[in-house]
Amino acid sequence: EAGVAQSPRYKIIEKRQSVAFWCNPISGHATLYWYQQILGQGPKLLIQFQNNGVVDDSQLPKDRFSAERLKGVDSTLKIQPAKLEDSAVYLCASSLDFRGETQYFGPGTRLLVL
Amino acid sequence: AQSVTQLGSHVSVSEGALVLLRCNYSSSVPPYLFWYVQYPNQGLQLLLKYTSAATLVKGINGFEAEFKKSETSFHLTKPSAHMSDAAEYFCAVSVGSYQKVTFGTGTKLQVIP
Repeated sequence: EAGVAQSPRYKIIEKRQSVAFWCNPISGHATLYWYQQILGQGPKLLIQFQNNGVVDDSQLPKDRFSAERLKGVDSTLKIQPAKLEDSAVYLCASSLDFRGETQYFGPGTRLLVL
Repeated sequence: AQSVTQLGSHVSVSEGALVLLRCNYSSSVPPYLFWYVQYPNQGLQLLLKYTSAATLVKGINGFEAEFKKSETSFHLTKPSAHMSDAAEYFCAVSVGSYQKVTFGTGTKLQVIP
């Protein structure tokens, strides 16, 4: 069974530029999550999708971050414009459902904003 | 709102010694609890989870954790540490209609030969 795929693995941009991350979850998984993990901290949930609907985006900085999961499969997270404090690893995870199901994580995208 | 506190950002043990990583949670409703492991430059991998069944949960790689409601704790243990256990460990709690997951700040485990 293929795992959660993410691309790119690494990205370096300058502040005020835009960047997009892609995630392809495990086939059949209804729930998809995007997390931000700043160095030395635990992952922080940015947004949670159930199929193609958003069920939690309370910690997503909506003035600069956006995410979509149009067909309920793969997802894109965008930052526009980026700030220095956005430097982090962006993790995508998926699960069969949200009721205590195991989350399977991708390898992450490491973003450095200069 | 739920929260998780992991005591000790760094823990060092000798190879073969007991591993004990501490986690305390705060939740107004019965939670689901998880332990994840993260190796360098990789995503997180589930070690074990508590979902209101047995209070002693066994996971992969010889790890186990016990849910203690009276102490609001979910500490992770392993009887004998291996070098391959060196990694960062995250405790997490989920509650609510859509089981939003909140992670702790992590504990880095160092295993000394």
